[in-house]
Amino acid sequence: AQSVTQLDSHVSVSEGTPVLLRCNYSSSYSPSLFWYVQHPNKGLQLLLKYTSAATLVKGINGFEAEFKKSETSFHLTKPSAHMSDAAEYFCVVPGTYSSASKIIFGSGTRLSIRP
Amino acid sequence: DTGVSQDPRHKITKRGQNVTFRCDPISEHNRLYWYRQTLGQGPEFLTYFQNEAQLEKSRLLSDRFSAERPKGSFSTLEIQRTEQGDSAMYLCASSLTGQAQNTEAFFGQGTRLTVV
Repeated sequence: AQSVTQLDSHVSVSEGTPVLLRCNYSSSYSPSLFWYVQHPNKGLQLLLKYTSAATLVKGINGFEAEFKKSETSFHLTKPSAHMSDAAEYFCVVPGTYSSASKIIFGSGTRLSIRP
Repeated sequence: DTGVSQDPRHKITKRGQNVTFRCDPISEHNRLYWYRQTLGQGPEFLTYFQNEAQLEKSRLLSDRFSAERPKGSFSTLEIQRTEQGDSAMYLCASSLTGQAQNTEAFFGQGTRLTVV
């Protein structure tokens, strides 16, 4: 079975400082992994995705994530936080055709940005 | 707009009433998901369809809940005899999931249900 664990329920950083949101996965094979963002009262939006190509994945709004098989991690980072980054972030394992599995969400990390 | 569309966006109902939500996925997408999200929590899986076949239902989906996707296009989620605990955001998502690769799921804006 596949699963994702988001290690922090809440992260608070100052504007202009780096962001690190942590995600660990559990899978018997090399999974695909996504990060979604949800702004208040908005729908879920894909930030970036890893599908076994390059291990360093760049997404929208300056975010990137690195897939590390040895650490079973897929942490989300951004060099410099902006006030507009305040949102809920979800690490996600997408459904696959062959395994007929559903999208699996982590519990989410709420990112707060201090002025 | 060619994204995932959900209707209605908001629904307020009295306890004990039945409600039905509709989801129109992106037209060529073969997979459709329903999730429920309560305040401060991540989305919880309810059910999903591969074309018209309902492949999995969560234990969260009691017998008061039923979902259909009759022609493999739009889907409906019905809640009978609503309870206050049903108050939540109901999210629909669709994806084109094939053997070659995994693709992202596109989410609708959700239907916010309030049971009073």
